[in-house]
Amino acid sequence: NAGVTQTPKFRVLKTGQSMTLLCAQDMNHEYMYWYRQDPGMGLRLIHYSVGEGTTAKGEVPDGYNVSRLKKQNFLLGLESAAPSQTSVYFCATSGDRTGYTFGSGTRLTVV
Amino acid sequence: AQSVAQPEDQVNVAEGNPLTVKCTYSVSGNPYLFWYVQYPNRGLQFLLKYITGDNLVKGSYGFEAEFNKSQTSFHLKKPSALVSDSALYFCAVASAGNNRKLIWGLGTSLAVNP
Repeated sequence: NAGVTQTPKFRVLKTGQSMTLLCAQDMNHEYMYWYRQDPGMGLRLIHYSVGEGTTAKGEVPDGYNVSRLKKQNFLLGLESAAPSQTSVYFCATSGDRTGYTFGSGTRLTVV
Repeated sequence: AQSVAQPEDQVNVAEGNPLTVKCTYSVSGNPYLFWYVQYPNRGLQFLLKYITGDNLVKGSYGFEAEFNKSQTSFHLKKPSALVSDSALYFCAVASAGNNRKLIWGLGTSLAVNP
């Protein structure tokens, strides 16, 4: 079992460019989440999904969009990247009473 | 409002000594409590959880945590620290009524010195 797989692992963008981060899970979990992690700020929830075809905003959604067209995939999009979006991005999934399972992260640098 | 506090940004301990990483929480109803570990340049890994039952929970890598309802705490412990335990530790809580929504602490950096 791969669990939760994130692609790409690293990316450098220029300001204004767009990109999509992919999260794929084989755990059959309904809930999926996108977080960003910045030094001293812990984990901050960007968007989440409670099932196929649904998405909802977290605490820092501005500048990001998401889609959940298939249960196993959760995509995070940056339409016009800004240096403030330089961060490490984590995808996670959860089952009932199981806690979260995380991907290995995407390190994004916006220059 | 639900919240989690990890009062120490950093904990330093000598190898072989016992370690404690503190966590206190505030949640409505019965809590679900979790500890995760993050090694450098890696994702978060599940260590242990408390849902119900015995207040002392044992987890991966020799770690354990004790749920204390009266003190609303869930401190992470290990009897004998290893250098390889050096990492960032996160505590998280959810209410039993909404256990998919974890509230995260800011993390505690553990440094185990040889």
